[in-house]
Amino acid sequence: QVQLVQSGAEVKKPGASVKVSCKASGSAFTSYDINWVRQATGQGLEWMGWMNPNSGNTGYAQKFQGRVTMTRNTSISTAYMELSSLRSEDTAVYYCASERHLNFDYWGQGTLVTVSS
Amino acid sequence: QSALTQPASVSGSPGQSITISCTGTSSDVGGYNYVSWYQQHPGKAPKLMIYDVSNRPSGVSNRFSGSKSGNTASLTISGLQAEDEADYYCSSYTSSSTYVFGTGTRVTVL
Repeated sequence: QVQLVQSGAEVKKPGASVKVSCKASGSAFTSYDINWVRQATGQGLEWMGWMNPNSGNTGYAQKFQGRVTMTRNTSISTAYMELSSLRSEDTAVYYCASERHLNFDYWGQGTLVTVSS
Repeated sequence: QSALTQPASVSGSPGQSITISCTGTSSDVGGYNYVSWYQQHPGKAPKLMIYDVSNRPSGVSNRFSGSKSGNTASLTISGLQAEDEADYYCSSYTSSSTYVFGTGTRVTVL
């Protein structure tokens, strides 16, 4: 069993960056990958990328290449997703999710990021 | 990577069975047995319902079942209940070592 607790809502101006955290508990942090998925209001789920907390290796969806960075701090079992050059279209709920066997078995509660001038 | 195609909405009466389709390509759904399904109630995080095409995680009702034929995967909900009213998304691993979600299906219990 994995519990994922995300940081609180953020309001950012266009062009700024946002960093969302995802604190894991209940199972060894390095035993699964952390993926990030976002959902604009009233829209579907969109996969952004993955990070292996053990190695720090990452893989990003082509759409976000160059704008997203996924990192971790293993000492506090926390993963981070930073998205830069924010625009209004990035307004969405961002979820972290654990992945062990090519599916997303546990999810964080979501973090609303609002981009507005 | 284009989103997998799902019907926008499916409805059924309590006790009935419904099926949601999820159509992709040979580079995702058709190429791997790594299709999963997620249930999402309004304002909540998605919940894993089916993984590896047809497997149920512990705690998920056996009224939920999954299958695949070619490039199309399907989720069937039997004995439809009011609590099943939610959005459902399929997801697949892809040949690019990425993931893609479906467009989502709103299930309405009449």
